[in-house]
Amino acid sequence: QLHLQESGSGLVKPSQTLSLTCVVSGGSISASVYSWNWIRQPPGKGLEWIGYMYHSGSSYYNPSLKSRVSISLDRSKNQFSLNLTSVTAADTAVYFCARGSSIAVDSWGQGTLVTVSS
Amino acid sequence: DIQLTQSPSSLSASVGDRVTITCRASQSISTYLNWYQQKPGKAPNLLIYVASTLQSGVPSRFSGSGSGTDFTLTISSLQPEDFATYYCQQSYSMSRTFGQGTKVEIK
Repeated sequence: QLHLQESGSGLVKPSQTLSLTCVVSGGSISASVYSWNWIRQPPGKGLEWIGYMYHSGSSYYNPSLKSRVSISLDRSKNQFSLNLTSVTAADTAVYFCARGSSIAVDSWGQGTLVTVSS
Repeated sequence: DIQLTQSPSSLSASVGDRVTITCRASQSISTYLNWYQQKPGKAPNLLIYVASTLQSGVPSRFSGSGSGTDFTLTISSLQPEDFATYYCQQSYSMSRTFGQGTKVEIK
């Protein structure tokens, strides 16, 4: 049973960098068929894809966030991370990590709320 | 980016009702369309992938259809646990996108 768990700061100041980590258990992030995704949801709003990365290192980012986002994999710790720079209040959201394939996202973390505020 | 437009944005229905939600893509996406259910405070859950394939463990009252630009999610007989928000999502493009969601509420 795959389990994903987000961790990181729940409060980030404007203009600073949001950093989150997703620890994966019950499966390997080195599996070739899967992508490792970050998706967010502002309070009371819909889902927004941030980006994803394959074990090969290939990555794809939401064009609207591309200049501020990076995703990385740490195979030794079986985890992956999100960095989002120059945050504003508009980046306040629940952030989900998730496993995907070329078809769909089939496993999600529980989500973690990140608030951008001074 | 491929835009996905769901309709309606919300609906009220009773237990036992047949419910249909539609998702329209801004360009043809073949059958690369998935449906998710999200309950308050929870992560989304995959219901249907590639337009019509039921994810393992999902009740058979859920079904999906469509191809190209027009897709449908149908709940044949709404159950109390089905009151939630439903999202479509395309995997045709490397730049993945979601629809805006359809909230199914109790009448």
